[in-house]
Amino acid sequence: KQEVTQIPAALSVPEGENLVLNCSFTDSAIYNLQWFRQDPGKGLTSLLLIQSSQREQTSGRLNASLDKSSGRSTLYIAASQPGDSATYLCAVVSGNTPLVFGKGTRLSVIA
Amino acid sequence: GAGVSQSPSNKVTEKGKDVELRCDPISGHTALYWYRQSLGQGLEFLIYFQGNSAPDKSGLPSDRFSAERTGGSVSTLTIQRTQQEDSAVYLCASSLDPILTQLNTEAFFGQGTRLTVV
Repeated sequence: KQEVTQIPAALSVPEGENLVLNCSFTDSAIYNLQWFRQDPGKGLTSLLLIQSSQREQTSGRLNASLDKSSGRSTLYIAASQPGDSATYLCAVVSGNTPLVFGKGTRLSVIA
Repeated sequence: GAGVSQSPSNKVTEKGKDVELRCDPISGHTALYWYRQSLGQGLEFLIYFQGNSAPDKSGLPSDRFSAERTGGSVSTLTIQRTQQEDSAVYLCASSLDPILTQLNTEAFFGQGTRLTVV
């Protein structure tokens, strides 16, 4: 059974810092991996999708990498801003379950 | 529509009552997914639809939970005889193609329905 773990559970950084969020998964036979953002009381917003054959994807200040063989992905956020404060969720598609989620990293960027 | 729409946004119900949650996917999206997010927990997969069919119902927590999709569009998740442990945010997502068969397909989520059973 696929399990997804995200570390750290919470992170607080000053504005302007670069930061890395980690995601690991137990079964490396994934089809793709998706990073989401969730603001308090809101739904999920898709940030980046990495197919299993890809190594990384970039969107603006966000860069997500995938090392499928080691079961890891990282989300890099450059020059963090207070508006980046949210919970970041990692999810993988594998087996017969559409998306298996981690519990997320709650990020606070302090002005 | 512009995005995935869920209604109601909030629902408070008494224990033992039945509730219906509605999801309107993005127009043209063939696949639809239901998840549950309990306080302090990750998202738990419930069921997904390809068209009007649900290939995998194994995530439904009990036989009090059921879901249907009609016309390849709107879906309803029904919880019968609600219990306090059913309190959670119920999230719906849709994708253009099934995530399990089209590897570059993104899932788009609605704002969720917050269900509180008192």
